[in-house]
Amino acid sequence: AQSVTQLGSHVSVSEGALVLLRCNYSSSVPPYLFWYVQYPNQGLQLLLKYTTGATLVKGINGFEAEFKKSETSFHLTKPSAHMSDAAEYFCAVSSNNLFFGTGTRLTVIP
Amino acid sequence: DAGVIQSPRHEVTEMGQEVTLRCKPISGHNSLFWYRQTMMRGLELLIYFNNNVPIDDSGMPEDRFSAKMPNASFSTLKIQPSEPRDSAVYFCASTEPGSETQYFGPGTRLLVL
Repeated sequence: AQSVTQLGSHVSVSEGALVLLRCNYSSSVPPYLFWYVQYPNQGLQLLLKYTTGATLVKGINGFEAEFKKSETSFHLTKPSAHMSDAAEYFCAVSSNNLFFGTGTRLTVIP
Repeated sequence: DAGVIQSPRHEVTEMGQEVTLRCKPISGHNSLFWYRQTMMRGLELLIYFNNNVPIDDSGMPEDRFSAKMPNASFSTLKIQPSEPRDSAVYFCASTEPGSETQYFGPGTRLLVL
């Protein structure tokens, strides 16, 4: 069975500060892992994904995530937050379907 | 590419009325997913199709909900009769063959009064 846990439903950072959004997964098979972003009143947009190969994955808008099998984690990071990063972020694990976490709302403080 | 298209974008209806939500997946994609998003329950997978065939409808809340995919370019999600607790944003997503990446539509915001 697959599942995802996102620690922290709300995260606030100052503009220019490091962004760290946590995601831990459970999977009975080698996982495919995803981060999606949802801006207000919009659908989900793929930020990045890990399937196989390099464990550090780079996505759009300067975000990256690292697959750590030993920690069953896939945390999302960005070195310097921008106001436009304010959104809700969803981690997901896939077998045949996508299993989404409950989301983390990121607030960026000017 | 136009992306996944959903209509209507907003729907307000009264309890007991029939509601039909529509989705056009990205051309060439062969899997289609319907999700519901609410504050209380987050994102829930309702049903998904592969090559127009329903594969897993275990997420469909009850018999009031039904979904069809008559061809590769069109799907509907119907609620009859609708209830206030059905108020949510309904998303459609599609994937291309061999890929796990889902592309989401903009959603339909449903309010049942």
